[in-house]
Amino acid sequence: GQQVMQIPQYQHVQEGEDFTTYCNSSTTLSNIQWYKQRPGGHPVFLIQLVKSGEVKKQKRLTFQFGEAKKNSSLHITATQTTDVGTYFCAGLGGSQGNLIFGKGTKLSVKP
Amino acid sequence: AAGVIQSPRHLIKEKRETATLKCYPIPRHDTVYWYQQGPGQDPQFLISFYEKMQSDKGSIPDRFSAQQFSDYHSELNMSSLELGDSALYFCASSFLVGVNTEAFFGQGTRLTVV
Repeated sequence: GQQVMQIPQYQHVQEGEDFTTYCNSSTTLSNIQWYKQRPGGHPVFLIQLVKSGEVKKQKRLTFQFGEAKKNSSLHITATQTTDVGTYFCAGLGGSQGNLIFGKGTKLSVKP
Repeated sequence: AAGVIQSPRHLIKEKRETATLKCYPIPRHDTVYWYQQGPGQDPQFLISFYEKMQSDKGSIPDRFSAQQFSDYHSELNMSSLELGDSALYFCASSFLVGVNTEAFFGQGTRLTVV
């Protein structure tokens, strides 16, 4: 079945350092979505990428969708303590309506 | 704006008991997803519904079943509960196709099996 792999599993950074998480799907995706989950909270939608090679920015966050629509990345520039949480990518594949999550990257930021 | 409503928020059951979790999706969303999230784990896809019909199944045990009703609310029924079923259960809703297919998650139901 469809799998979405995400690395790294954990990332500890000093405040002000950059952070990147990578996502790779076993199949071509209709779109890829990114979510952030704070401790004790529920996943909250960040962004959706649909087009091959698409790049989107949200302030210090940059999202990319690969040319083959099978991989994606999230890059955070100059991390802040408010960036702490687990970042999940989620792939929407095919027409069956299954949104499959990667295992997430847990980001901790040391002030 | 209306969000995804899940009930109950917390549930404690004993082994071998039955539990029913409810989800009220965002109005007009055509897709409902159920996920199970263990401590420190990623959300595991259980099952989804598109327009009240089951659209896909993930790692849902045979002891679990789900359905979506005519008013679009969905219920996850869990029988013969095991200790390992203790987890946070999320429901999410979305549009399946179109420009915006992002999933909106409910607050989750924390199930504890003792």
